[in-house]
Amino acid sequence: QSALTQPPSASGSPGQSVTISCTGTSSDVGAYNYVSWYQHHPGKAPKLMIYEVSKRPSGVPDRFSGSKSGNTASLTVSGLQAEDEADYYCNSYAGSNNFPYVFGTGTKVTVL
Amino acid sequence: EVQLVESGGGLVQPGGSLRLSCEASGFTLINHWMHWVRQAPGKGLVWVSFINNDGSRTIYADSVKGRFTLSRDNAKNMVYLQMDSLRAEDTAVYYCVRDDKLSFDVWGQGTMVSVSS
Repeated sequence: QSALTQPPSASGSPGQSVTISCTGTSSDVGAYNYVSWYQHHPGKAPKLMIYEVSKRPSGVPDRFSGSKSGNTASLTVSGLQAEDEADYYCNSYAGSNNFPYVFGTGTKVTVL
Repeated sequence: EVQLVESGGGLVQPGGSLRLSCEASGFTLINHWMHWVRQAPGKGLVWVSFINNDGSRTIYADSVKGRFTLSRDNAKNMVYLQMDSLRAEDTAVYYCVRDDKLSFDVWGQGTMVSVSS
């Protein structure tokens, strides 16, 4: 199972928006509405930011939003803040008995 | 507070074994599937293994199949990852992770496993 494809980096100034894409296949992202996104500050535990494509867990700011079209999911961070600088990973359920979950390659978001 | 705490990492020689433990607190473990996810130095997150609620079903990534064994003791609120025949490429931070709605909603802080001679 290949990793989902994300851009290596993205950046924006404080207050701007940044969108990260996550491209899979018709067997994972395109097949299920179980795409999730994780924020990872180095040295800390990853944090769930979006689940089921567009739902936010309690406590996650509404500046974070998710969507999906076909085999590509997206995470948008609006009103960028310094603390948003982190690595972001998407994940999709793939429904396979052999490899049911696949992560994206990761995107480093830099706040300029 | 909902929490996962891993332990058992360390330095081991190639071909050696380690057993990682994950202690769950603040929630009822049997209500959740559990996973291990790892991150090699400078690399991204990779899903490693899954176990269902009662431990009757496990699934492994191809890279660890036949070498790693995932188990759980719900009465003790513990999840275990037995890692045998370790290779250099198994060097990573290993995270114990709770599953909710097919997403990973609670993560431990991670435990470092280094495989080197």
